Amino acid sequence: ILNVEQSPQSLHVQEGDSTNFTCSFPSSNFYALHWYRWETAKSPEALFVMTLNGDEKKKGRISATLNTKEGYSYLYIKGSQPEDSATYLCAPLEYGNKLVFGAGTILRVKS
Amino acid sequence: DTEVTQTPKHLVMGMTNKKSLKCEQHMGHRAMYWYKQKAKKPPELMFVYSYEKLSINESVPSRFSPECPNSSLLNLHLHALQPEDSALYLCASSRGREGSTEAFFGQGTRLTVV
Repeated sequence: ILNVEQSPQSLHVQEGDSTNFTCSFPSSNFYALHWYRWETAKSPEALFVMTLNGDEKKKGRISATLNTKEGYSYLYIKGSQPEDSATYLCAPLEYGNKLVFGAGTILRVKS
Repeated sequence: DTEVTQTPKHLVMGMTNKKSLKCEQHMGHRAMYWYKQKAKKPPELMFVYSYEKLSINESVPSRFSPECPNSSLLNLHLHALQPEDSALYLCASSRGREGSTEAFFGQGTRLTVV
């Protein structure tokens, strides 16, 4: 079982601030890294799926990078907006389609 | 169509009842998942079906019994549940070819065991 750690546990920023979170995991026995955005009372929604070392993905103001050799991924949000407030979950995908979520980083953006 | 449909949306059952949760997708996905989610915690993986075969069982008690009758349907049969089993049960699906695409989640079934 992969031990997935996400940091920080929570983050409170002002509107317009840029921020980043970390997802770390053992650098073996997985073949993709997923990021999801999760709002309370809703289901998780996928942001990115990354598979290759050095992968970088971008969607609007949100981007992510993957380092498979050292076992971490960063999620960046540029110019945070109140609507970015959510919990950001990462999940390494193991063989057998096993997708296990980390505990998440809670982001609160104040206007 | 990127929809995963779960029924019922809400379910109240007694500890001696037998009930089933249903999940359906028509995206041609071949991996389907059951997760259990307790308040303010991330979803916790229960079962994974890959190509209609059970590939992952996360040591779930036998009072939860999954079934995948075909590539579009996933059921979770419930029997002799305990009050601590009350939670939101989420179904998800993905393409199934290892690592290739994201998982899509249904809206969940809110289960209360009395």
